[in-house]
Amino acid sequence: AQSVTQLGSHVSVSEGALVLLRCNYSSSVPPYLFWYVQYPNQGLQLLLKYTSAATLVKGINGFEAEFKKSETSFHLTKPSAHMSDAAEYFCAVSFHGGGYNKLIFGAGTRLAVHP
Amino acid sequence: DGGITQSPKYLFRKEGQNVTLSCEQNLNHDAMYWYRQDPGQGLRLIYYSQIVNDFQKGDIAEGYSVSREKKESFPLTVTSAQKNPTAFYLCASSEGDRASYGYTFGSGTRLTVV
Repeated sequence: AQSVTQLGSHVSVSEGALVLLRCNYSSSVPPYLFWYVQYPNQGLQLLLKYTSAATLVKGINGFEAEFKKSETSFHLTKPSAHMSDAAEYFCAVSFHGGGYNKLIFGAGTRLAVHP
Repeated sequence: DGGITQSPKYLFRKEGQNVTLSCEQNLNHDAMYWYRQDPGQGLRLIYYSQIVNDFQKGDIAEGYSVSREKKESFPLTVTSAQKNPTAFYLCASSEGDRASYGYTFGSGTRLTVV
C-alpha cells in the first residue's frame, strides 16, 4: 500500500539557514511524488513534483527535492530560508488505484523561520 | 486565469443546519475532490468524482453529500448528521486519471459551528 511519512511536525530555522523537510514514502509501484505548500487559511500550492524524469527536481521559490529510491525518500531543501517561507508543507504520493488518480498526503510539517 | 473557486471563504453553521459549500473550476478537469483538514491530521478525503453524474465516497463520507451535475461544479453539503463539522474544507481537481498529474486546489472554506 502507498503511504507517506513526514518526519517532524514542526521545524524551526533561522533566516538564511538551510531548510530540510523530510519525506519518506512507501509504494509498491514506481511513485509520483509531490510537495505542496500551504499558507494560513489558503489552499495548497504545488511546489514541485517527481514523475520519473530527473531525480533532482527544482521547484518554485528556490526549493528543490531529490528522489532517492534506495532510501525511499523525497526530502525538500532550500539553501537559504526566507521569512516568507514560513508555512505548512505537505509531501504526497500519487498512484492510479481503484479507477482514479489518488493522492495520499503526509501529515504535514510546519516550518517556522526566525529572524 | 484558470483555477478553482471556493465560496464562501468563511461559513458559520448553527447546530442542526445543513450547509452547502461551493466549488467551481474552469480548468476543464474531469476529476474533482473534497478534503477536510483538521489541525495535526493532514488532509482526509471526503468524496471524489471522476465524471459528471458520478461520485464515490472517500475515507470520511459520513454526514456529507455531494452532487456533480456539471463538469465545472462539485458542491459539498455538510448535513446535520455530521457531528463535528468545524474544519477547513478544500476542493481540488485533476486533469484526468493519470497519477503524474497531481491536483490543483481551491483556497478553502472554513466552517465553524456556532
